[in-house]
Parts: sequence; C-alpha cells; structure tokens
Amino acid sequence: QVHLVESGGGVVQPGRSLRLSCAASGFTFSDYGMHWVRQAPGKGLEWVAVIWYDGSKTHYADSVRGRFTISRDNSRNTVSLHMTSLRDDDTAVFYCAKDRADCSTGSCYAMLDVWGQGTPVIVSS
Amino acid sequence: DIQMTQSPSTLSASVGDRVTMTCRASQSISSWLAWYQHKPGKGPKLLIHKASSLESGVPSRFSGSGSGTEFTLTISSLQPDDSATYYCQQYNAHWTFGQGTKVEIK
Repeated sequence: QVHLVESGGGVVQPGRSLRLSCAASGFTFSDYGMHWVRQAPGKGLEWVAVIWYDGSKTHYADSVRGRFTISRDNSRNTVSLHMTSLRDDDTAVFYCAKDRADCSTGSCYAMLDVWGQGTPVIVSS
Repeated sequence: DIQMTQSPSTLSASVGDRVTMTCRASQSISSWLAWYQHKPGKGPKLLIHKASSLESGVPSRFSGSGSGTEFTLTISSLQPDDSATYYCQQYNAHWTFGQGTKVEIK
C-alpha cells in the first residue's frame, strides 16, 4: 500500500529555517516525481515545489523560489523541503504528494495521485 | 501562469441531490485537469484525472467533464460522506489549484 508520512513541522520564528521530510513506502520511489503542497489556515491548496524522479530538475512556486529547496534521497525513499527566511504567511499545513505521469500524447503530464496527511508549520514570534 | 477559478465557493444540498461545480482555466489546458476531495485533517484524495477519468476505487457517482478552459465535477447522488472541499487542479503547465468548492449537506 502506498504511504507517505510527513514530519518536521512545528513552531518557528520569522526569519528562521525549518526542514520538512516525507517518508515514502509501498512503491518504487525512484520512479516518481514528488511534490510539496501547502494549505494556509482558512485558505485553499497552494502548490509549492516538485522534484523529478531522479532529482535532475526542480520547480518552485514564485512565492517560495529562492527561499525553499526541495531535495530527495532515493536510497532512503525520502523527499525533503528546506525552508529558509520563513515569513508569517508561510504558516500552513504542508503535504507531500507522489505524482503519476500520463505520457499518452508523447509529452508527459503529471497529476498528484497519493498524498500524505500533512505536517503543520507555524511561523510566529 | 495559468489561473484556475472555481464556482460556487460553497454549495449546500440534500442527500440524494445531483450536484455540479465548475472550474475555469485562464487559458486552454486541453484535458489536463484533476479533481481532488479534501476533508479536514486528511490529505487530499484524487477523484478524477484527465478531466473525465475516474480514479480507481472512487465511487461511480463522481464524474468529470470538459476540455479547454471549462470543466465540471458532478456528484450524481450526494451522500453524507461527500461533505468536503473539492479542488480542481491544472497540470498542463506546472500545477495550479482552484480556490475550492465546499460542499455541505443540508
């Protein structure tokens, strides 16, 4: 059974750093791209970052580019999100998600098919 | 960036009702659209991908349609367990979510 478990959330002061981790099981981790998505209190879902299956490419939302870094360790089946210069508006529940690519048209398009339960991050002084 | 707009923001209906919600993209995304169900305290659940393909294990009362810029999610007979917020997401160019439609049971 595919399973994703996030950890590392907590309370952190503005301007400080925090590292989130996501442990994956039940599938061949090195075959799939992995994402982070967040939900601020009372708000909707916001896509944050993606890392390719082999770690060769990453993309970020404009709101976090330059402050957050996504990485993965395929030997340990984990994906991480290193967050620096945290701001009040980074307060959210952070979810990791596995993607699944549809390459039927010759190009590949990836939906997020399995999600973790989330880990909360509270940025507050 | 592609913007996604969902309507309505909240929907209240009775058990057994047919419910429809809409998602509009700011530019064509072909059929690269997914629908997710999100309940408090849980991770979102993929319901529909490629605009109209039902994810394995999802009840057949859920259906999706549309292409280009206009999409709909329909629940044919609303059940108590369907109380949740539903999000559309485009994956044609990176990933963008709509702001969600909250479904309440009367």
